[in-house]
Amino acid sequence: IAGITQAPTSQILAAGRRMTLRCTQDMRHNAMYWYRQDLGLGLRLIHYSNTAGTTGKGEVPDGYSVSRANTDDFPLTLASAVPSQTSVYFCASRGQGDGNGYTFGSGTRLTVV
Amino acid sequence: GQNIDQPTEMTATEGAIVQINCTYQTSGFNGLFWYQQHAGEAPTFLSYNVLDGLEEKGRFSSFLSRSKGYSYLLLKELQMKDSASYLCAVKDSNYQLIWGAGTKLIIKP
Repeated sequence: IAGITQAPTSQILAAGRRMTLRCTQDMRHNAMYWYRQDLGLGLRLIHYSNTAGTTGKGEVPDGYSVSRANTDDFPLTLASAVPSQTSVYFCASRGQGDGNGYTFGSGTRLTVV
Repeated sequence: GQNIDQPTEMTATEGAIVQINCTYQTSGFNGLFWYQQHAGEAPTFLSYNVLDGLEEKGRFSSFLSRSKGYSYLLLKELQMKDSASYLCAVKDSNYQLIWGAGTKLIIKP
């Protein structure tokens, strides 16, 4: 693993089903983030975690939950998927220091039908 | 509300120079980032400005004016591989990143 790994790469999901998007980093970064990216819109923050054991809500948290049991893993769960959750999901992390840019995973393309 | 504005799309010629503008209105300011995102890929970090002025990194430069709520990304000696979306993001008073929708840059031979 180098950087951030997301799984799955893509998924077609029936509405009403539960789904967990996985995110793992090996950089020992404290801060981690989940974004969704939709055509014509900027990246929108779903949930974040400043350090292991803590999480916070972003701009669009409804319908999503996260956990941060350790530094490396930050899974995102859709409890009951709806078509409006069709999007590309990016996990990101940030190292120490204000100037450190975010490192992004390769994304999960989710289609809810 | 918080707002980041960038042009939706720009076209430029290989070998030329292009400037991508970004204006912002946010609750506080703790730095501005530029990212590059190729189609179907993740965003990658290009530059960070926190003080006014120009930051240069090879063919890419980024400028910031905090009093005007304005930044630009300057790309010189354009190459075909520079065809991508360029995302502007501002870190607000809560140290959260607010993202623009991105500027799709099309490079023509």
